[in-house]
Amino acid sequence: QVQLVQSGAEVKKPGASVKVSCKASGYTFTSYGISWVRQAPGQGLEWMGWISAYNGNTNYAQKLQGRVTMTTDTSTSTAYMELRSLRSDDTAVYYCARDGSYDGAFDIWGQGTMVTVSS
Amino acid sequence: QSALTQPASVSGSPGQSITISCTGTSSDVGGYNYVSWYQQHPGKAPKLMIYEVSNRPSGVSNRFSGSKSGNTASLTISGLQAEDEADYYCSSYTSSSMGVFGGGTKLTVL
Repeated sequence: QVQLVQSGAEVKKPGASVKVSCKASGYTFTSYGISWVRQAPGQGLEWMGWISAYNGNTNYAQKLQGRVTMTTDTSTSTAYMELRSLRSDDTAVYYCARDGSYDGAFDIWGQGTMVTVSS
Repeated sequence: QSALTQPASVSGSPGQSITISCTGTSSDVGGYNYVSWYQQHPGKAPKLMIYEVSNRPSGVSNRFSGSKSGNTASLTISGLQAEDEADYYCSSYTSSSMGVFGGGTKLTVL
């Protein structure tokens, strides 16, 4: 079946970096994009950015520009999101979601990866 | 990009209908028919319920419907059921080729 499986929880110190993976299966990876969305504890959803799995084009949320990098490895159908210079307010569940079945909508979601930033 | 505006909470009794609003600007909700709605139960990933303003993905109950007027989109749930109790988020494509979510609405089934 179509699914996205994310890497496990991470605990990082302020100033460190984290790289979360999202492995796709059940569909042609390069025919869709992947968006990343995060959710701080008890808060709403925040769109972080998007990457085309076809050509690697990216578009990042303005507030994360310079700290976030999204990449893909088409040989393993895996998308990655790296966030640098971590701060306590980056503590959140990070989701990957498939983008492209319908315009502007995310139809398949990963299970989420908890990233905790704490000294 | 500011978040879209949703009511913090709505409630209804089983069998009733409720509507959740989602207000943006002409640069997002009002400018494109790319509004989607997501249901999220506690501790779970969001689930797509409506795409392109009013379309339901396969497998989503026809009790869920969407519409848009100007800069405001709406999600209506008819025949409320206990299992509909969840958080609901709207999302829109924007003129900057980005995405933006609403702040979320907690639906309580009384």
